[in-house]
Amino acid sequence: DVKVTQSSRYLVKRTGEKVFLECVQDMDHENMFWYRQDPGLGLRLIYFSYDVKMKEKGDIPEGYSVSREKKERFSLILESASTNQTSMYLCASSLGEVEQFFGPGTRLTVL
Amino acid sequence: DQQVKQNSPSLSVQEGRISILNCDYTNSMFDYFLWYKKYPAEGPTFLISISSIKDKNEDGRFTVFLNKSAKHLSLHIVPSQPGDSAVYFCAALLNSGNTPLVFGKGTRLSVIA
Repeated sequence: DVKVTQSSRYLVKRTGEKVFLECVQDMDHENMFWYRQDPGLGLRLIYFSYDVKMKEKGDIPEGYSVSREKKERFSLILESASTNQTSMYLCASSLGEVEQFFGPGTRLTVL
Repeated sequence: DQQVKQNSPSLSVQEGRISILNCDYTNSMFDYFLWYKKYPAEGPTFLISISSIKDKNEDGRFTVFLNKSAKHLSLHIVPSQPGDSAVYFCAALLNSGNTPLVFGKGTRLSVIA
């Protein structure tokens, strides 16, 4: 079974803080993705990566950066958290381009 | 510009009846479609998929129908059960290679006992 884990289920941070969200997958998948989910807006792609040290911008990359130093780990970084980044953050991985396996999500609240 | 549209934000169905969730797409280059199911405070889980060379795929209580000429797909759940209550996301994949899935905004299904 594919397992995608995210470092925290719930996180509360203050405006201006630097925030790291970690994602690890254990199935040697090439591809990893970061989404945020907001009511009425569905899943929006922030960044994705098809290989180590490679990253591509998704639909809403502003205010975020990512790091992929190892194949199994994909980190999402909020350089200076803002209240409009309060959201559910979902990490996913896939072997090919098709089925993605999602982690449990991190509910981030920025005060 | 939304390429994958789920026009019904919510749907309520009685237990035992059929649930039909709809999805429309605009890009004729999409050649693979997936449905994901998401419970609150959990990540989405893959439910069922269909290739553009097929018009139907069935897995137990779940059937996905694809109408390429109408650029429309639907997910049928029969019979619906209370445990099916969740948000359902439609997703599509371009045949051009290394591109991410394109997701719809989701439909919240409530199955009432």
